[in-house]
Amino acid sequence: AQKVTQAQTEISVVEKEDVTLDCVYETRDTTYYLFWYKQPPSGELVFLIRRNSFDEQNEISGRYSWNFQKSTSSFNFTITASQVVDSAVYFCALRGQGAQKLVFGQGTRLTINP
Amino acid sequence: NAGVTQTPKFRILKIGQSMTLQCAQDMNHNYMYWYRQDPGMGLKLIYYSVGAGITDKGEVPNGYNVSRSTTEDFPLRLELAAPSQTSVYFCASSSPSGGGLPLHFGNGTRLTVT
Repeated sequence: AQKVTQAQTEISVVEKEDVTLDCVYETRDTTYYLFWYKQPPSGELVFLIRRNSFDEQNEISGRYSWNFQKSTSSFNFTITASQVVDSAVYFCALRGQGAQKLVFGQGTRLTINP
Repeated sequence: NAGVTQTPKFRILKIGQSMTLQCAQDMNHNYMYWYRQDPGMGLKLIYYSVGAGITDKGEVPNGYNVSRSTTEDFPLRLELAAPSQTSVYFCASSSPSGGGLPLHFGNGTRLTVT
C-alpha cells in the first residue's frame, strides 16, 4: 500500500522567514513519482513539481526548493523568504509506476503573516 | 484552453435527493478521477477510469456511481444524498505515461447536503 504523511497540520510564520514543509512517503514500488500541489484560498489545485524515484537531485525554482531523499523516504519543500501570497494548503502526493491512482497526504496549511 | 471543467460550482441538496456532478476534459486524457476533500482534510479517491467503458473504485466509493461512455466525460452520480457527502468534489485527468505525469484538476464542486 502507498501512503503519504504530512505531519505538520498547520504552520504560521512571519513574512520573509524561510519555511520547510515535510513529506514522508511509503511505497514498495522501486519506481514511483512524487508531487507537490498548492491549494490557495480560492480552492483550486495547482501543480508545483514532480520528481521520479531515480532522480535524487534537489530542485530549485525561484524561492521554492525541494529536497528528495530516498534513504529517509522524504520529499520536503522549502520556501525561502516567504511572502503573503504563499499562504495556502500544500499537498504532497505519490503515484507508483504504471499506477493509475495518486495518493495524497493530509496537507499542510501554511499561513504567512505580514 | 478549457482543461478540466466541472459543473455545477455549488449545490445544496436535501437528504435523499440525487444529483450528477459533471466533469469534462478536452485534453484527450485517458485517465480520469473523482476525489473528495472534506474540510481540513486531504483528497480521497472516490472512483477512477483508465478509458471509456472502464471504471474502478477508489478509497471511498460508497454512495456514488460513475460511468465513462466517452473519453471526454466522467460524471459522478450521488444517489440518496446524505450529510456525510457534504464535501468539495474534484475531478481530474491525466495521460497514462507510466504514472509520471501530473493530474490536471478542475476547480471543484462544493456540495452541501442538509
